[in-house]
Amino acid sequence: DAKTTQPPSMDCAEGRAANLPCNHSTISGNEYVYWYRQIHSQGPQYIIHGLKNNETNEMASLIITEDRKSSTLILPHATLRDTAVYYCIVRVGGATNKLIFGTGTLLAVQP
Amino acid sequence: EAQVTQNPRYLITVTGKKLTVTCSQNMNHEYMSWYRQDPGLGLRQIYYSMNVEVTDKGDVPEGYKVSRKEKRNFPLILESPSPNQTSLYFCASSRLAGGGNTGELFFGEGSRLTVL
Repeated sequence: DAKTTQPPSMDCAEGRAANLPCNHSTISGNEYVYWYRQIHSQGPQYIIHGLKNNETNEMASLIITEDRKSSTLILPHATLRDTAVYYCIVRVGGATNKLIFGTGTLLAVQP
Repeated sequence: EAQVTQNPRYLITVTGKKLTVTCSQNMNHEYMSWYRQDPGLGLRQIYYSMNVEVTDKGDVPEGYKVSRKEKRNFPLILESPSPNQTSLYFCASSRLAGGGNTGELFFGEGSRLTVL
C-alpha cells in the first residue's frame, strides 16, 4: 500500500471549512483513498473514501487531484466536535480489509 | 443499532495473570481484527480473521492469541501478560473486501489495559 503524508496538526475556526491535505504520490491506479477520524481515544470512525472522482457524503467531501497524487478532506462547517485526529489511508480496494494507520493530522477546531 | 462491543473497557492486571478481552459485532461481518494503539506508534494490527475458524497474524502478534468459533465473536487472549502489553486495544469488523465492497472497518470503543 502506498505511503501517505499529512501535516501533524492544523487549526480551524468553528463554523469555517476545514481543509485537510494528504499526499500520496506513489498511489497505484487501483488504490483507494480512505479517511478515518479518531476523537480523543475513541475507536476510529470511517468518514469517506474515493478512487478518482470527488466524493461527498453527509460528513465531508473528498477532493482527489487529477493525477491522484494528493487529496483534500473538506469538513464544510467545522464544529468543536470535529476536533480529532484525521487519518488518510490508501489501500487496494477489494484486495484486503487491512488498514495501515499513520500518525494522522490533529485538527483543533477553535471557538 | 450496528455496533462492535468490547469488554472490559478498562482493566488493570498484574504480570502473568491470563486475561481475555471480548469483542462482539452484530452486523454479520465476516472480517474481524484487533489493533493496539500506543503513543507515537499509531494503530498496529495484532490478529485478524476472515471468517469462522480462519485467523491469521497481523503485524504485532507476539504474546497474543485469538479464536473465532462464532461469526460474531473474536476474543483477544493474553496468556501471560507483560508490562509491554499495556496499551489501548481496538476491535474492528467489516464485510469482506471484494465484489464491489471496499470493506469499511467499524471499530469498537476501545479497551485500555494496564499490566503492572
